[in-house]
Amino acid sequence: QKEVEQNSGPLSVPEGAIASLNCTYSDRGSQSFFWYRQYSGKSPELIMSIYSNGDKEDGRFTAQLNKASQYVSLLIRDSQPSDSATYLCAVKGFYFGSGTKLNVKP
Amino acid sequence: DTGVSQDPRHKITKRGQNVTFRCDPISEHNRLYWYRQTLGQGPEFLTYFQNEAQLEKSRLLSDRFSAERPKGSFSTLEIQRTEQGDSAMYLCASSWETGANEKLFFGSGTQLSVL
Repeated sequence: QKEVEQNSGPLSVPEGAIASLNCTYSDRGSQSFFWYRQYSGKSPELIMSIYSNGDKEDGRFTAQLNKASQYVSLLIRDSQPSDSATYLCAVKGFYFGSGTKLNVKP
Repeated sequence: DTGVSQDPRHKITKRGQNVTFRCDPISEHNRLYWYRQTLGQGPEFLTYFQNEAQLEKSRLLSDRFSAERPKGSFSTLEIQRTEQGDSAMYLCASSWETGANEKLFFGSGTQLSVL
């Protein structure tokens, strides 16, 4: 079993919709969780981090954490074509999932 | 430029040759990570250093791979006797370790092609 699991997608949403990206992890002792965005041909860049159960909001982005279910999600509200990228979930700071490719259609 | 710097950007080599990559982290960062990424996959953790100490190494990592960070600043990743399966983007990242609140800054990577 991989440390971090993500659906590879692609996930296609229309412009203005909410995109929902999900991630599960295997190590129940994990304390820190991160979402990175990676544009094609570029390196990953951090979007946000979450450490406590519940929701954390930052602009159009909301991270959700449920440690009991070992589940992390990222919601992108009012999706824009510029949000089209691969979204990587990272657990314990440095173990990455395979990423979910998001396509936002104009 | 105060970001993470990697050299070279591209490397083409023949199977069986040795290659070495260099990473210069952000100067005040004490942690340095190496990853390998292939198309359609997320970054695969290889190893990381805190200052000059190599704290963790992926158990999937072949003995042909070795990394050093001799003075706690730049790091090198060497691959001996390269194989075609080693072809990938090799990414370096650095951070300032602050417990749970750690943000990785990535370099642009070194693209390795093994012929």
